[in-house]
Amino acid sequence: EVQLVESGGALVQPGGSLRLSCAASGFTFGSYDMHWVRQVTGKGLEWVSGIGIVGDTYYAGSVKGRFTISRENGKSSLFLQMNNLRVGDTAVYYCVRGSYCSGAGHCSPVGYFDPWGQGTLVTVSS
Amino acid sequence: QSALTQPPSASGSPGQSVTISCTGSSSDVGGYYYVAWYQQHPGKAPKLMIYEVTKRPSGVPDRFSGSKSGNTASLTVSGLQAEDEADYYCCSYAGSNTWVFGGGTKLTVL
Repeated sequence: EVQLVESGGALVQPGGSLRLSCAASGFTFGSYDMHWVRQVTGKGLEWVSGIGIVGDTYYAGSVKGRFTISRENGKSSLFLQMNNLRVGDTAVYYCVRGSYCSGAGHCSPVGYFDPWGQGTLVTVSS
Repeated sequence: QSALTQPPSASGSPGQSVTISCTGSSSDVGGYYYVAWYQQHPGKAPKLMIYEVTKRPSGVPDRFSGSKSGNTASLTVSGLQAEDEADYYCCSYAGSNTWVFGGGTKLTVL
């Protein structure tokens, strides 16, 4: 069974840092691009960041320069280092599996975000 | 990126069809054939229902269908059932390996 389990969410003060982790199982982690998507309680979804199978990284404008996504394929793990946190970063953060990528670098299906983890809550407040 | 525009709510009676729209721009919805739809029940993680505009993942009922015209994508749910009541989000590729979601639509089965 494919499974994604997030951890690391906590209460942190504005300006603080936090590192989220996602443990993946049930699939060949190193063959998939991975993403973080967040959701403010009661609000919509926001794509935060993505990482390719060779470690290429991508960010939403709202977090660029503050968040860093990384992966450790040998441990089937995804990470999100969040620095200079703001009140507006308060949300549930979901770890999401993306497309399958072949050795030749072709990824498909495109935009196939499935499955999602159960989420971890990050609260930024003084 | 600005969020894609979805109606806040939609409704229909059991057995009826309902269509939810998702409007973006030529930089996202209109520029690529990479629109997906997600269903989210309260307290649960989102679930993929449609990808690449019209394709259904294995296990998703064929009552769910997707389409796109210009800068607007649509999700149609036919033969509404009580379990279809949920929030629905569209998501589009926005270039440079980035993605943008819609604000979400709450579907009510009357």
